[in-house]
Amino acid sequence: DAGITQSPRHKVTETGTPVTLRCHQTENHRYMYWYRQDPGHGLRLIHYSYGVKDTDKGEVSDGYSVSRSKTEDFLLTLESATSSQTSVYFCAISDLSTDTQYFGPGTRLTVL
Amino acid sequence: AQKITQTQPGMFVQEKEAVTLDCTYDTSDPSYGLFWYKQPSSGEMIFLIYQGSYDQQNATEGRYSLNFQKARKSANLVISASQLGDSAMYFCAMRERGTGGFKTIFGAGTRLFVKA
Repeated sequence: DAGITQSPRHKVTETGTPVTLRCHQTENHRYMYWYRQDPGHGLRLIHYSYGVKDTDKGEVSDGYSVSRSKTEDFLLTLESATSSQTSVYFCAISDLSTDTQYFGPGTRLTVL
Repeated sequence: AQKITQTQPGMFVQEKEAVTLDCTYDTSDPSYGLFWYKQPSSGEMIFLIYQGSYDQQNATEGRYSLNFQKARKSANLVISASQLGDSAMYFCAMRERGTGGFKTIFGAGTRLFVKA
């Protein structure tokens, strides 16, 4: 299994509070991604990173920011959480030479 | 506009029969990749198969094959000899060039039910 972890695995928070999710990899892969999964929508890309300090927006980036200060960590921040951000968040890593993505176990976030 | 379209929200198949899960895509990038993933009820994402846009032959991995029709922008997954353990959500995905690097986006998924 690819070395990719997410923390926390579960979180309940209140509307308006900031939340940071962490993705950590031990594979030294260049690409890292954040997705959210909601019923009927599949996985939707929030942001992705193609290198340290290199990030780009995905399909549903509003309300989210990311940072990648080192290869192994990719942080997703909800500056002011809203109930519509209740979801399961997946991190993924990839290296173009492997032609695949490896996914973390997911973080279940509930915003009350 | 949808980049990845999976038109079958749910599919039923009899055990030991073959099943085809549909996927169409839209991109202007001449160099792209297509993936299929399986998500069982436990929630993890499992990579199944990959097809590059320049690959001449359809990709195969065991009981999985990808029916790649480039002109139709179609990348259907064929599962042969279905097993009860194949019951899961299946996602089609496409990797294409974004503003800064390559991004991978997913379809809404197809839930497959295998009947005994």
